Amino acid sequence: SQQGEEDPQALSIQEGENATMNCSYKTSINNLQWYRQNSGRGLVHLILIRSNEREKHSGRLRVTLDTSKKSSSLLITASRAADTASYFCATGNILTGGGNKLTFGTGTQLKVEL
Amino acid sequence: ETGVTQSPTHLIKTRGQQVTLRCSSQSGHNTVSWYQQALGQGPQFIFQYYREEENGRGNFPPRFSGLQFPNYSSELNVNALELDDSALYLCASSLDGLLEEEQYFGPGTRLTVT
Repeated sequence: SQQGEEDPQALSIQEGENATMNCSYKTSINNLQWYRQNSGRGLVHLILIRSNEREKHSGRLRVTLDTSKKSSSLLITASRAADTASYFCATGNILTGGGNKLTFGTGTQLKVEL
Repeated sequence: ETGVTQSPTHLIKTRGQQVTLRCSSQSGHNTVSWYQQALGQGPQFIFQYYREEENGRGNFPPRFSGLQFPNYSSELNVNALELDDSALYLCASSLDGLLEEEQYFGPGTRLTVT
């Protein structure tokens, strides 16, 4: 089952604008990660934020985490047409067998228009 | 490019048949995870292998099985295919299977069951 929901499901903006995507999750987490997926292909890791962190930056990306509200947001500043993709949040959890898994949300489809 | 490769790219099978999907991990990585992504959904965790042993499994029936080989390449086998097995199957490798390691995803195999 999906861990949580992303909001909005789809977002269309003009190049140069900022894009904000939100993610909510249900259970306690060790970390939360954001991934990008182009055209239904492989996922690319963007950023990881630990459960004891509140904000993290990487280039044009800014991620926040509010564990009390079980939510996270991804901000992409000064968007470009090449940012057009689906964006997923994923929570990392340890499995009883010693492994770990990512539980993904439902994704936000971002379209950046020229 | 993540260095993780998957084969085949696309596959069409008939309900009831069996299928084997292959993944070649990034060099030096000894952990591989498999995910199923239905159309319009986020990926769902199937299982994870560490040094040839399964160390975690998601909510998938036993007809989903896997193998990891000494060179850390891996296979996903699905028996008695059902229409709902139609999806993009993604493998992801990581260095030592630690929770906060980045997982590197392959481009996926798109399976269609008719």
